[in-house]
Amino acid sequence: GQQVMQIPQYQHVQEGEDFTTYCNSSTTLSNIQWYKQRPGGHPVFLIQLVKSGEVKKQKRLTFQFGEAKKNSSLHITATQTTDVGTYFCAGRNSGGYQKVTFGIGTKLQVIP
Amino acid sequence: DAGITQSPRHKVTETGTPVTLRCHQTENHRYMYWYRQDPGHGLRLIHYSYGVKDTDKGEVSDGYSVSRSKTEDFLLTLESATSSQTSVYFCAISESGQQYNEQFFGPGTRLTVL
Repeated sequence: GQQVMQIPQYQHVQEGEDFTTYCNSSTTLSNIQWYKQRPGGHPVFLIQLVKSGEVKKQKRLTFQFGEAKKNSSLHITATQTTDVGTYFCAGRNSGGYQKVTFGIGTKLQVIP
Repeated sequence: DAGITQSPRHKVTETGTPVTLRCHQTENHRYMYWYRQDPGHGLRLIHYSYGVKDTDKGEVSDGYSVSRSKTEDFLLTLESATSSQTSVYFCAISESGQQYNEQFFGPGTRLTVL
């Protein structure tokens, strides 16, 4: 079945440093979504990437979708304490029901 | 936040007892999902529904059953709870199963099976 690998599982950064999390799929994806879960909260949708090579930005967050549509990354520039949480990618496969498979998540800690 | 509620929010039960979790939405979305979240495993799909009385299995469906008799309600039942089912359970909804629709998550239910 489809697998979505996400690394790293944990990341501690000093406030102001950059942060990147990566997702890799075993199969070609039709799209990839990113979610953020604050401590004690529920996942909240951030963005969706659909096109090969697509890059989207949300303020300090940059999302990329690979040319082969099998990998993606989320980069945060100059982290702030409000960025703390777990970031999940969710890949939707190219056929059938188009089931979403979530990555394991990257837990980000920001040290003030 | 989307109109999704889960009940109960917390539950402690004993091994072998049946447990039912409820997800209720006010968005009239067609698709509903049940996930479990465990450390080291992320979010794993248990079951999903694509309409009233239309359900299908996810990747970790063993030991779970679901029912959807109304658009707004999706029930998850553990017929005989086991300690391995201790987890945080999230319900999610999406407007359709089409590839461009994001999922909206409920607040979660923390279940402990002793």
